Amino acid sequence: EAGVAQSPRYKIIEKRQSVAFWCNPISGHATLYWYQQILGQGPKLLIQFQNNGVVDDSQLPKDRFSAERLKGVDSTLKIQPAKLEDSAVYLCASSFRLSKGDNYGYTFGSGTRLTVV
Amino acid sequence: KQEVTQIPAALSVPEGENLVLNCSFTDSAIYNLQWFRQDPGKGLTSLLLIQSSQREQTSGRLNASLDKSSGRSTLYIAASQPGDSATYLCAVRTAGNMLTFGGGTRLMVKP
Repeated sequence: EAGVAQSPRYKIIEKRQSVAFWCNPISGHATLYWYQQILGQGPKLLIQFQNNGVVDDSQLPKDRFSAERLKGVDSTLKIQPAKLEDSAVYLCASSFRLSKGDNYGYTFGSGTRLTVV
Repeated sequence: KQEVTQIPAALSVPEGENLVLNCSFTDSAIYNLQWFRQDPGKGLTSLLLIQSSQREQTSGRLNASLDKSSGRSTLYIAASQPGDSATYLCAVRTAGNMLTFGGGTRLMVKP
């Protein structure tokens, strides 16, 4: 089974520039997540999709971050404009489905390391 | 709001030691708890998943326990090896399928 694919692996941009990350979840996984992991901390959920709908985006800084999951498969996360504090690893994860009785675990991609200078 | 804490934040041990990593969470209403390993510059690799109804899970030299009522989990690593050096993260899944992570324990196993 192919894993969660993310690209690019690394990105360096200047502050105030824009950047986009791409994620392809495991085939058949309805739920997709974007996490932000700042150096030395645990990942923090930014946004959660169920198919192509947003389930939770309460921790997404919506003034500069946006995400979409067209057709309920691939997803893109965009930052515009970037700030120095956005430097982090952006992780994408997927799980089989979202339901109260679902006890499946998550599968994470390798992440995109963003450096804002 | 669920909060997850991991102790210690960093640990350095000589090769061959048995060690325990601790994870605590504030809300016991969880569906499962998952332990991950993260190597520098890499993504997360799932090690063990414990359902809320289970007490422990084992995989090779790893054993994870869960005491849901007290909000605690431990990851036991037997006969540690230099290749075990990594950051270990625990995460709990709660209502809404949200996964909340602890800050991680950075483990260094010295030859």
